[in-house]
Amino acid sequence: AQRVTQPEKLLSVFKGAPVELKCNYSYSGSPELFWYVQYSRQRLQLLLRHISRESIKGFTADLNKGETSFHLKKPFAQEEDSAMYYCALHRGSTLGRLYFGRGTQLTVWP
Amino acid sequence: NAGVTQTPKFQVLKTGQSMTLQCAQDMNHEYMSWYRQDPGMGLRLIHYSVGAGITDQGEVPNGYNVSRSTTEDFPLRLLSAAPSQTSVYFCASISPGANVLTFGAGSRLTVL
Repeated sequence: AQRVTQPEKLLSVFKGAPVELKCNYSYSGSPELFWYVQYSRQRLQLLLRHISRESIKGFTADLNKGETSFHLKKPFAQEEDSAMYYCALHRGSTLGRLYFGRGTQLTVWP
Repeated sequence: NAGVTQTPKFQVLKTGQSMTLQCAQDMNHEYMSWYRQDPGMGLRLIHYSVGAGITDQGEVPNGYNVSRSTTEDFPLRLLSAAPSQTSVYFCASISPGANVLTFGAGSRLTVL
């Protein structure tokens, strides 16, 4: 069963436009959610996690338990934001067992 | 501090061959894991380990073996490679008290 759904495989926006990468999850308990990013020729790395409630590189994500969503947003996209973005869910008590979505490839055009 | 180091970066195998992907971390992390990354499939957990001597299966363990004899090393073995195992493999570790993964650079495996 798909635990994390990223409905958009590809997403393209122009520089300066708002961008929203969607993520929905299935878990009835208290989830821990993350966004990971992979820039071209770089390692996968953490972008942000919901418990931190911080903005990283202008990105924010709010956990909406009612809609079981954790969408990633940025008001003004930059070309350097072009990357593959993965939403990930940790559920249960097993440390480190994360479930990843299928990823969204974001392209920001100049 | 090298972080998580994976070798080799690239490997081509013939069907039926065996090989081991190496993973080492120098951060003294107890938790280590292996993922495979396939287009349109995201990252899927193969095996993980919560400490030396302890391993467990993830979502897609078939065809892979692991062992954890030391805290630093977590090798992934393919006993009889199949074309379906063509993928990019990532090793990751987790720092204590957090669920944040530190990834290796990846190993691209092609099975002909």
